[in-house]
Amino acid sequence: GAVVSQHPSRVICKSGTSVKIECRSLDFQATTMFWYRQFPKKSLMLMATSNEGSKATYEQGVEKDKFLINHASLTLSTLTVTSAHPEDSSFYICSAMGARTSGPYEQYFGPGTRLTVT
Amino acid sequence: KQEVTQIPAALSVPEGENLVLNCSFTDSAIYNLQWFRQDPGKGLTSLLLIQSSQREQTSGRLNASLDKSSGRSTLYIAASQPGDSATYLCAVRNFGNEKLTFGTGTRLTIIP
Repeated sequence: GAVVSQHPSRVICKSGTSVKIECRSLDFQATTMFWYRQFPKKSLMLMATSNEGSKATYEQGVEKDKFLINHASLTLSTLTVTSAHPEDSSFYICSAMGARTSGPYEQYFGPGTRLTVT
Repeated sequence: KQEVTQIPAALSVPEGENLVLNCSFTDSAIYNLQWFRQDPGKGLTSLLLIQSSQREQTSGRLNASLDKSSGRSTLYIAASQPGDSATYLCAVRNFGNEKLTFGTGTRLTIIP
C-alpha cells in the first residue's frame, strides 16, 4: 500500500510555456501533499505544503505565482510551473501523507518528474 | 532552524564489507528520523523510520540507530552488495511540524 504516482515522468518544454505535473495517491487519501525540488547531486528542497481544499503554504524564497499548487481532492495535487525558464529545469518530487492517526506521520514519495526547459 | 548533515558525501567500498553512514542534526526535538535510498534519476525509497522514543530499527541487512541527545543517527549496512550502490538520505521531522528536513546525502558505491 501507500503508492504515490507522478505524471509525467519526464517533460521537455520551451521557454515561456507552462507545464503541469500531477501527483496522485493511488491507494490512500492524502490530506497533505508536499512538493520538493532537487538539483543535480543535491538534496531535496521543500517548495510547498498543500492541504486538501486549502491554499498551499510556500517555503521562503519560492515564488507562489510561478509555482502554482492545487490540491483539489484527497488523491490529487498538481504543480504548474508557469512561464518556465531554463533555470526551472530540475527534478520535482512530490510526497503524500494520510490522515493523522497514531501512526508515525510518514510521507510516501512519488517517483519524480524530470523537467527540462529549452 | 533544523539543519541535517551527512558525512561522508561520497563513499566507495569493496563488495562484502560492512559500512556505516552518518547523519547529524542540530535540533534534538525531533519526532522521528527516516532513512531513504535514491537511485539516479529516481524517487525516494523509504528504508527505515525511527521514532524519537526508539534507539534503533532493523530491516534485513540494514540497521539504523538514533541518539537524539547528541543529534546523531547512523545507518549500518552489513555485507554490502553492488545493488546497494545509491544515494542515501536521512531526514528528520520535528515535533509540531509535518515537514521533513533532508540531509545532504551520501553517495555510496559498492565495488564488485
